[in-house]
Amino acid sequence: AQSVTQLDSHVSVSEGTPVLLRCNYSSSYSPSLFWYVQHPNKGLQLLLKYTSAATLVKGINGFEAEFKKSETSFHLTKPSAHMSDAAEYFCVVSGAGTYKYIFGTGTRLKVLA
Amino acid sequence: DTAVSQTPKYLVTQMGNDKSIKCEQNLGHDTMYWYKQDSKKFLKIMFSYNNKELIINETVPNRFSPKSPDKAHLNLHINSLELGDSAVYFCASSQASGQKGYGYTFGSGTRLTVV
Repeated sequence: AQSVTQLDSHVSVSEGTPVLLRCNYSSSYSPSLFWYVQHPNKGLQLLLKYTSAATLVKGINGFEAEFKKSETSFHLTKPSAHMSDAAEYFCVVSGAGTYKYIFGTGTRLKVLA
Repeated sequence: DTAVSQTPKYLVTQMGNDKSIKCEQNLGHDTMYWYKQDSKKFLKIMFSYNNKELIINETVPNRFSPKSPDKAHLNLHINSLELGDSAVYFCASSQASGQKGYGYTFGSGTRLTVV
């Protein structure tokens, strides 16, 4: 069975400072991992994905995430936050051969001017 | 041209009514999904179809019935609506075909409010 835990429900950063959104996963299989972003009253957009290739994954809008098997983590980072990054972020896990993706409970990112 | 389109975007209806939400994708994907997002933003899968075949059917009341006339369409019909059905319903599609790692493409959501 797969599961994913987002360790922070809310994160606040100042504009121009680094962003770290934490995600731990559990999977019986070699997992695929994703980060999605949801802006207010919008749908979900894929930021990046890990599928057993390079462990450091680069996504859109300057975000990246590192897959660490030993720590079962897939944290999302960005060197410098922008006001437009304020949104809800979801970490997602999927196991091999399964169509079902399991979403984390989300982390709301607030960017302060 | 919208990749995954849902209609309607907003739906306000009274308890006890029956309503449908439609979803269409033009990406050529073979798998479609319905997710429910509650007021706390938690996303939970409801159904999934692969090439018109139901492959995921989570613990959802029988009042919810999905229908997939072809692999580009997945509709959701809800009978006897209840207050607790109020949520945002997202349609999504992916190219699964037994290979892992394909992300979903989501529609923009249908905000259902039952009064």
